[in-house]
Amino acid sequence: DVKVTQSSRYLVKRTGEKVFLECVQDMDHENMFWYRQDPGLGLRLIYFSYDVKMKEKGDIPEGYSVSREKKERFSLILESASTNQTSMYLCASSLVGQGGNQPQHFGDGTRLSIL
Amino acid sequence: AQSVTQLDSQVPVFEEAPVELRCNYSSSVSVYLFWYVQYPNQGLQLLLKYLSGSTLVESINGFEAEFNKSQTSFHLRKPSVHISDTAEYFCAVSLLAAGTYKYIFGTGTRLKVLA
Repeated sequence: DVKVTQSSRYLVKRTGEKVFLECVQDMDHENMFWYRQDPGLGLRLIYFSYDVKMKEKGDIPEGYSVSREKKERFSLILESASTNQTSMYLCASSLVGQGGNQPQHFGDGTRLSIL
Repeated sequence: AQSVTQLDSQVPVFEEAPVELRCNYSSSVSVYLFWYVQYPNQGLQLLLKYLSGSTLVESINGFEAEFNKSQTSFHLRKPSVHISDTAEYFCAVSLLAAGTYKYIFGTGTRLKVLA
């Protein structure tokens, strides 16, 4: 089974701090994704990466950056945390597949609170 | 613009009753379709997928979904629900947009099974 591991289940940080969320997958997947999940809004894509050192902006990249130095690890960085970034953050990975037919595999999420 | 609509944000249903969770998508190109389930305090797990072939697909725990191309729908059904089916369910489509495959999630339907 694919395992996607997010480093923290719960995190509390202060406004203005630089925050790192880490995600590791163990199945050699090419694609990795970061989403935030808010009630009534579903999942919104922040960034994704299809290869080491490659990244693409998703639908809501503002205030975030990412790093993918190794294939198995994809980090989300909040450069200067703000209260409106309080949310559940989900990491996912997938194979490249044929024409987008691969499902995504998710970690258990990090519930981040910015005070 | 491509989109996924889950018409019901919450669906309460009594145990052993049937349930249908609705999903409609908007796309002029071919799509792959997925249903994911999210139990409390967990990430999303793949429930079932439609890639090609038979338009009726089934999961191992009794859910089924039917791809209807003319109505652009992929509704999820179960003939008899259990308390343990209480969760949030997300419909997702994968489609080709601007030269790359894009994954779009619906906003989710919270299924509450009542004793």
